[in-house]
Amino acid sequence: AQKVTQAQTEISVVEKEDVTLDCVYETRDTTYYLFWYKQPPSGELVFLIRRNSFDEQNEISGRYSWNFQKSTSSFNFTITASQVVDSAVYFCALIEPPGNNRLAFGKGNQVVVIP
Amino acid sequence: DTEVTQTPKHLVMGMTNKKSLKCEQHMGHRAMYWYKQKAKKPPELMFVYSYEKLSINESVPSRFSPECPNSSLLNLHLHALQPEDSALYLCASSQDGWDRGHHEQYFGPGTRLTVT
Repeated sequence: AQKVTQAQTEISVVEKEDVTLDCVYETRDTTYYLFWYKQPPSGELVFLIRRNSFDEQNEISGRYSWNFQKSTSSFNFTITASQVVDSAVYFCALIEPPGNNRLAFGKGNQVVVIP
Repeated sequence: DTEVTQTPKHLVMGMTNKKSLKCEQHMGHRAMYWYKQKAKKPPELMFVYSYEKLSINESVPSRFSPECPNSSLLNLHLHALQPEDSALYLCASSQDGWDRGHHEQYFGPGTRLTVT
């Protein structure tokens, strides 16, 4: 069963528009961690943010913001005032209980920012 | 410093060749990973080393052979590969130990492998 669902595949926006990426996860455990990664065309996966299951505080970092809601098992990501450099694939990922180093990735969202 | 380095960046090899991919990190991480990524797909876990011991092998064919010479280095030895093994190979590292609270994996730039 897919543990992380990113329903949108490709999202195109015009520069300076906001874009929100949806992530829905599935786990039976009370302790888990969620992540967002960015993969630009160069290929390197860049870690953006970590949230643990006990910390529902939402965060804003520059033009990025995250909305974690345990009640709906969602961990959404918003880019405000998008720029061409934001064009990349964004992956949501989940890691579960102790002793398990497996990152469960969603299928990714291809974001294309049109100048 | 959150850098993971990988060499080479690109590799073209024939099906009878033997080659190795190398990965290095100096963040003091004790868990290191190999992933395979095909175009337009998420990374797929291949191997995990924890404290220099192989802890996870995701049923990877024996033509891929991992090695962890020390806590900073990770190699992937390749032999008799098939064209379908062409992909981006990513190395990653992370702290290990669930109680330390940091489980993000830091990835290298990858090696783009083409098997001809």
